Amino acid sequence: QQQVKQSPQSLIVQKGGISIINCAYENTAFDYFPWYQQFPGKGPALLIAIRPDVSEKKEGRFTISFNKSAKQFSLHIMDSQPGDSATYFCAASKWEGKIIFGKGTRLHILP
Amino acid sequence: EAGVAQSPRYKIIEKRQSVAFWCNPISGHATLYWYQQILGQGPKLLIQFQNNGVVDDSQLPKDRFSAERLKGVDSTLKIQPAKLEDSAVYLCASSLTGGGSGANVLTFGAGSRLTVL
Repeated sequence: QQQVKQSPQSLIVQKGGISIINCAYENTAFDYFPWYQQFPGKGPALLIAIRPDVSEKKEGRFTISFNKSAKQFSLHIMDSQPGDSATYFCAASKWEGKIIFGKGTRLHILP
Repeated sequence: EAGVAQSPRYKIIEKRQSVAFWCNPISGHATLYWYQQILGQGPKLLIQFQNNGVVDDSQLPKDRFSAERLKGVDSTLKIQPAKLEDSAVYLCASSLTGGGSGANVLTFGAGSRLTVL
């Protein structure tokens, strides 16, 4: 049972553009929603995370938007750069619980 | 701060052979995880340790996979006998959390890539 659905599977964005990746979850008990970034040959690394008591969290060029009623959240990358080219995973968990990952989005930023 | 160390980075074996992966977590991290990442998919939790006790092994194929964490530090994941579908990257991660201290912020190692022929 896939509890976190992520789209799109792959994404190509021009340098300077906005990259948007979407995720939906099923378990209403989830209350922690991280995004991980993975470069080829490396393990995933935490990028940014949000809890459902806020609707948006911004860290530099990266923003998470959260819609609790729709059970959806998204990652926006502003002013996308070639160095942002990587695979991005959304995830969800209960606080301190098992983290369930989405299938990932391969992002390619055109120079 | 040193990261999560894993070895070997790459392993190629024939089906029905055995293989073992080793992980050394970040010093002081009580929780250790083994994830399986099949090409094109997200990481799937195989087993989670809190110190040297198992917290969750519900998705570990116990007929062929085993894992241990001796003395609450290093961990070994073993597959015996391997199947073709075990070809994947095996990721080890560790975190400080457990016992009410907060969200699970995982630090991953670079992974061990297994190819089963």
